[in-house]
Amino acid sequence: QVQLQESGPGLVKPSQTLSLTCTVSGGSISSGGYYWSWIRQHPGKGLEWIGYIYYSGSTYYNPSLKSRVTISVDTSKNQFSLKLSSVTAADTAVYYCARVVAAMGWFDPWGQGTLVTVSS
Amino acid sequence: DIQMTQSPSTLSASVGDRVTITCRASQSISSWLAWYQQKPGKAPKLLIYKASSLESGVPSRFSGSGSGTEFTLTISSLQPDDFATYYCQQYNSYPVTFGQGTKVEIK
Repeated sequence: QVQLQESGPGLVKPSQTLSLTCTVSGGSISSGGYYWSWIRQHPGKGLEWIGYIYYSGSTYYNPSLKSRVTISVDTSKNQFSLKLSSVTAADTAVYYCARVVAAMGWFDPWGQGTLVTVSS
Repeated sequence: DIQMTQSPSTLSASVGDRVTITCRASQSISSWLAWYQQKPGKAPKLLIYKASSLESGVPSRFSGSGSGTEFTLTISSLQPDDFATYYCQQYNSYPVTFGQGTKVEIK
């Protein structure tokens, strides 16, 4: 079955850009029918949707983060990536990647998550 | 944005209890609602989609109901493995949003 795995630095300095990659195994990002998403969870808090991408490159972003977020896809590597610019301590969170059924749907499966701390 | 409000925030229950968690949307979302279970240090796991459809492999003691603005997740007989935090999520409109979570604790 499809599995997702996040990777990237666990520590980012304030004002820099957070960069994470999600590698998909057990299925092809290019097969269509699914979107690929990033979601974050602040320590001890709830879940916040960041954005989606389709294999064609179409994206949807949360308006609250849109000015700082870029999600891209590399179908040759079966990966998609997140860049979040101008980070502050408020961006410290566990970042999850997940598959989404259609452009508007539920998230399944999820990656295991990766903690990113913003600190100097 | 559509606000999702769960109640209660924390619930204390015993093994074998029937447990109900409520999720209310700030506007109608039809049946475009999912429920997740999250255990400490783990990613959320999908339980229910389209308000009442049980995800494959999820025990039948979990059920979902509701439409419009009010939804419930019911665990018919609480098992030791069910102590966790539960989240609802609406996918009726952008941005998709989650409830704040309901923690089910051992009484």
